[in-house]
Amino acid sequence: QLQLQESGPGLVKPSETLSLTCTVSGGSISSNSYYWGWIRQPPGKGLECIGSIYYSGSTYYNPSLTSRVTISVDESKNQFSLKLSSVTAADTAVYYCSRQPTYYYMDVWGKGTTVTVSS
Amino acid sequence: QSALTQPASVSGSPGQSITISCTGTSGDIGAYYYVSWYQQHPGKAPKLMIYDVTNRPSGVSNRFSGSKSGNTASLTLSGLQAEDEADYYCSSYTSSGTLVFGGGTKVTVL
Repeated sequence: QLQLQESGPGLVKPSETLSLTCTVSGGSISSNSYYWGWIRQPPGKGLECIGSIYYSGSTYYNPSLTSRVTISVDESKNQFSLKLSSVTAADTAVYYCSRQPTYYYMDVWGKGTTVTVSS
Repeated sequence: QSALTQPASVSGSPGQSITISCTGTSGDIGAYYYVSWYQQHPGKAPKLMIYDVTNRPSGVSNRFSGSKSGNTASLTLSGLQAEDEADYYCSSYTSSGTLVFGGGTKVTVL
């Protein structure tokens, strides 16, 4: 049973870079043709796609975030990561990592991690 | 990109059927058969309920069904049960090459 687990700082200062890691267990991040993605949910609000990375390394970012986002894969650790630069209070959210069997939907989700942007 | 439009809330009695709509444009729902639906209970991660408009993942009850007509997709819950009370989100691929979500619908079982 594939499982995903987000990890990273729960508090980030404004203008700094948010860094999160998603650890994949129960399967290899480089097997099959999966995409691996990040989604966030501000408090009391809906879901927003941040971006995805294909197992080959190709990346796809939300146009509204593309100038600040980097998603990468570390096959040796079976992990993928999110970096979001120049954060503001608007980036405060629960951040989820996910597996996408095709680009078009997410079938496995992590439990989510809360990130607060505050000084 | 603009979020897809969902009703804020839908309610029904146990055993009844309800339908949640998700309205987009000719650049997303109207153009592709890549609509998915997610169920989210409070404090929990979303769960995939429907993908590619009509497909149910293994393990999802056949009380959940999806459809699409024009620029609007729908999720129907039949034989409503107390455990169905949750937030539901639709998502679609867009002509910009991105995925967009709806604003979410709170389902209440009366």
